Amino acid sequence: EADIYQTPRYLVIGTGKKITLECSQTMGHDKMYWYQQDPGMELHLIHYSYGVNSTEKGDLSSESTVSRIRTEHFPLTLESARPSHTSQYLCASSAYATNEKLFFGSGTQLSVL
Amino acid sequence: KQEVTQIPAALSVPEGENLVLNCSFTDSAIYNLQWFRQDPGKGLTSLLLIQSSQREQTSGRLNASLDKSSGRSTLYIAASQPGDSATYLCAADSGGGADGLTFGKGTHLIIQP
Repeated sequence: EADIYQTPRYLVIGTGKKITLECSQTMGHDKMYWYQQDPGMELHLIHYSYGVNSTEKGDLSSESTVSRIRTEHFPLTLESARPSHTSQYLCASSAYATNEKLFFGSGTQLSVL
Repeated sequence: KQEVTQIPAALSVPEGENLVLNCSFTDSAIYNLQWFRQDPGKGLTSLLLIQSSQREQTSGRLNASLDKSSGRSTLYIAASQPGDSATYLCAADSGGGADGLTFGKGTHLIIQP
């Protein structure tokens, strides 16, 4: 059983608000990722980290930012939410070696009005 | 750039049938191929990971095969059950960092009781 947690599960907010999506894992994984997924579409990588103080942008342009101050914690922040940010956000982690399985959290469904 | 295609996009079969889900990828230089299951509104659960040097992996009623030369992987589900209803996604890992993982759009599977 994977131990990776995302909060909140659902979030409805107004345009212009600052939000932080939380992601924590208790498996000691070095690699952590944020994906964005729209209904019926493939996952798109928006941010990833290989360890503490390491963050990179993924292949999908995003106005969000991330931080990795502790191994277990990888929060994603939107400074000013817009309706175009409405989507499901999935956090994942894996061990550092090649050919390691990817473990996902349950996701945060974000709706920006 | 790696592209991953899953056919069919949706499939509905009676309970008890054996079925095959298909995944194709354009770049055969992959480290591994993972199959995931996603329940509605949830994150992904890793089912099987096939390394590039392997031909297949089995877990219970699931069997995944990999043919790198033809750029194909199949997920075989034996004796399907209503609880198998979900969306099944495959992802090819082309290496080169976290953005080396490319997901398909998934096959939405419904098992009729």
